[in-house]
Amino acid sequence: DTGVSQDPRHKITKRGQNVTFRCDPISEHNRLYWYRQTLGQGPEFLTYFQNEAQLEKSRLLSDRFSAERPKGSFSTLEIQRTEQGDSAMYLCASSPRPPTTDTQYFGPGTRLTVL
Amino acid sequence: DAKTTQPTSMDCAEGRAANLPCNHSTISGNEYVYWYRQIHSQGPQYIIHGLKNNETNEMASLIITEDRKSSTLILPHATLRDTAVYYCIVRVALSSSGDKLTFGTGTRLAVRP
Repeated sequence: DTGVSQDPRHKITKRGQNVTFRCDPISEHNRLYWYRQTLGQGPEFLTYFQNEAQLEKSRLLSDRFSAERPKGSFSTLEIQRTEQGDSAMYLCASSPRPPTTDTQYFGPGTRLTVL
Repeated sequence: DAKTTQPTSMDCAEGRAANLPCNHSTISGNEYVYWYRQIHSQGPQYIIHGLKNNETNEMASLIITEDRKSSTLILPHATLRDTAVYYCIVRVALSSSGDKLTFGTGTRLAVRP
């Protein structure tokens, strides 16, 4: 399967713990996006990378959140000192660079539950 | 990005066409209409997109009105596996700086046996 992959698929943690999620984009897609989705809502944008550069961050991305894409391939999203409000599905998407297309393709997501 | 309006829920019978409407009356000339769907507990799946011409692929057809203020996604022969939340999104595409997707709450389509 050559789609976007995310790991882990599910994570249960206790409040106050740190968690890290990984996203592997489709090969040669230089753009990578993180979104968050809470129950009953559509996904909300968190941050965007073009190659290794983080070009946009949502105000939803508090100081406890950090994302990296060190070599322009896979990306990690870390949440420090988790809170119950962080419980959500974290989605990663990747897209190629124009000119032909920049359609975003999503991974299966990581479902986080903070107890 | 322009705001879109979709019905909260719809249903259709298996084997019949499902027509999902979307209003985007404030769409700009350089914004495309995208459709994604999300089956329960999975990531969103890209379906189709278009600028002003009607588009068709192996999954669906997209009909955009001449004034571009609304569109309809057509699933020609709905199956139970098409039961999902369908999102209509408008965004600037093919930009050099990338552009996020702004999701609404979508239309929950239920396909009945």
